[in-house]
Amino acid sequence: DTAVSQTPKYLVTQMGNDKSIKCEQNLGHDTMYWYKQDSKKFLKIMFSYNNKELIINETVPNRFSPKSPDKAHLNLHINSLELGDSAVYFCASSQSGKSYTFGSGTRLTVV
Amino acid sequence: EDQVTQSPEALRLQEGESSSLNCSYTVSGLRGLFWYRQDPGKGPEFLFTLYSAGEEKEKERLKATLTKKESFLHITAPKPEDSATYLCAVQGENDYKLSFGAGTTVTVRA
Repeated sequence: DTAVSQTPKYLVTQMGNDKSIKCEQNLGHDTMYWYKQDSKKFLKIMFSYNNKELIINETVPNRFSPKSPDKAHLNLHINSLELGDSAVYFCASSQSGKSYTFGSGTRLTVV
Repeated sequence: EDQVTQSPEALRLQEGESSSLNCSYTVSGLRGLFWYRQDPGKGPEFLFTLYSAGEEKEKERLKATLTKKESFLHITAPKPEDSATYLCAVQGENDYKLSFGAGTTVTVRA
């Protein structure tokens, strides 16, 4: 049983397209996150939801919109994709900031 | 803003050659300092959380220590399977997010 699962694992798309990444956790955690890892392996927080409420919204272009339909799911929708959006996106979950667990990542390539 | 600096950027070791990785940090009130291991194409895998200066934790060939300004990850008699990128992150007192360093990529040759 995968604790934090993301789909798809790989996503190749053209500039200007709109795409979504989905995440689900079965740990019963109350908080979910999106992190972005660039080509230099640097992981940076993008968004976080606690019990479906947005609690962290870092400086991210408003082309990126997270949505949390319930505590176990967090999706990331990206409009008008740009070359610079190419990266690996990681979903994570925690229980009030503890017991952080990461998914295996979605490698997004914009061509 | 929380800051984490890891050194060295890369480390090449012979099997059995012990070494240490450094993580220097600044944070306004430390809730926890985390070490993760990341293999190519995979997500970060949790290793340790340290909460206060003087704390130490061990797991197999790895030992993490914490002071008020830095943390060390000691690898004792490493094996090729210890090859990975090791990530350090801090969490502030009232924070849910983790602030990561850029990682140290360790390669252990047989």
